[in-house]
Amino acid sequence: AQSVAQPEDQVNVAEGNPLTVKCTYSVSGNPYLFWYVQYPNRGLQFLLKYITGDNLVKGSYGFEAEFNKSQTSFHLKKPSALVSDSALYFCAVSPTDKLIFGTGTRLQVFP
Amino acid sequence: DTAVSQTPKYLVTQMGNDKSIKCEQNLGHDTMYWYKQDSKKFLKIMFSYNNKELIINETVPNRFSPKSPDKAHLNLHINSLELGDSAVYFCASSLQREKFFGPGTRLTVT
Repeated sequence: AQSVAQPEDQVNVAEGNPLTVKCTYSVSGNPYLFWYVQYPNRGLQFLLKYITGDNLVKGSYGFEAEFNKSQTSFHLKKPSALVSDSALYFCAVSPTDKLIFGTGTRLQVFP
Repeated sequence: DTAVSQTPKYLVTQMGNDKSIKCEQNLGHDTMYWYKQDSKKFLKIMFSYNNKELIINETVPNRFSPKSPDKAHLNLHINSLELGDSAVYFCASSLQREKFFGPGTRLTVT
């Protein structure tokens, strides 16, 4: 079965420190990979995507993600976290037209 | 200038009622979707339409009926609402698998 795993329900990090939100996937073929962010009581906002090419993808708000084909991972990273980054982050894969979401990771950045 | 819009934003109704949620996109995309986010924040696809034709139906109860009058609109009608239908429903459209989501409709069934 095709799936996306976000092993951490919550990630806590101090402001100014680097952050990583983990994502691994299990799908066939060469899927498109995405990260979305959801702020409280808001919709889903696109952060970044990987389709092909350079394994390091840069996105909105200073976020980046590293695609690792051998480990089937697509971890989200940011060099220096901000309190305003606190939100719910979803990894998603699209092997076909259907988008399969992970369960989400709540990022809490403390001042 | 909103790319994908949904109405209403909030919907509170009683069990057994019938309600509709509307979605419109002005991006010119051919494909539109409905996703459901439950109380645990899990997101799952419900339906996909391409050029007004149903492409994906993810074993959603037939009380849920999507309707696409044209490729810019995909409405969701729900009959005989149940408590378990309470969720946030997101509409989306896509271009080359990249999805653009609407702001969501929070449905509360009492």
